[in-house]
Amino acid sequence: GEDVEQSLFLSVREGDSSVINCTYTDSSSTYLYWYKQEPGAGLQLLTYIFSNMDMKQDQRLTVLLNKKDKHLSLRIADTQTGDSAIYFCAEMGGSYIPTFGRGTSLIVHP
Amino acid sequence: EAGVAQSPRYKIIEKRQSVAFWCNPISGHATLYWYQQILGQGPKLLIQFQNNGVVDDSQLPKDRFSAERLKGVDSTLKIQPAKLEDSAVYLCASSSPTNGINEQFFGPGTRLTVL
Repeated sequence: GEDVEQSLFLSVREGDSSVINCTYTDSSSTYLYWYKQEPGAGLQLLTYIFSNMDMKQDQRLTVLLNKKDKHLSLRIADTQTGDSAIYFCAEMGGSYIPTFGRGTSLIVHP
Repeated sequence: EAGVAQSPRYKIIEKRQSVAFWCNPISGHATLYWYQQILGQGPKLLIQFQNNGVVDDSQLPKDRFSAERLKGVDSTLKIQPAKLEDSAVYLCASSSPTNGINEQFFGPGTRLTVL
């Protein structure tokens, strides 16, 4: 079946940029998403990208998609302590059933 | 706009007992999902409803798990009997078919501990 892989942890200093990477296997993916989960809360959609796009920018967030390598990344500029959370990569293909990665814990320290 | 509501937030039971979770989606959202999130893993889809019909339940362990969505609004997920490996957070999400990107709105989840 489809698989989504992410690194488990990322630690950055406040004010630096964070880059979270994701790889997926489903070549028919239509949408790729980044969700954020704060402690004790459900997931919240952060941003998304269509599979026919290479890049999407939304304020401090930049999503890069390399469809050939099936690689997705999320860059957070000027990372703040409030960005500390778990970030999930997800993809959705023709089945319209989303597949989530295991999540990357982002730790931002002063 | 009220978000997705779930109850209870926490539940502790012994193995072989039964448990039920409740979800109230965002008003007007036709699609409802139940996910199981085991510690350290991403959410795994258990069942997806479109109104009160099942779209996909291929990963639902049907020998012990059941779910229903009467009247196409609220939903309940039941485990009977529970096993130790069912310890997880159970997330409910909803989405609207008019939302072109299929954004899912998640509830806070129910944390289940099976002893």
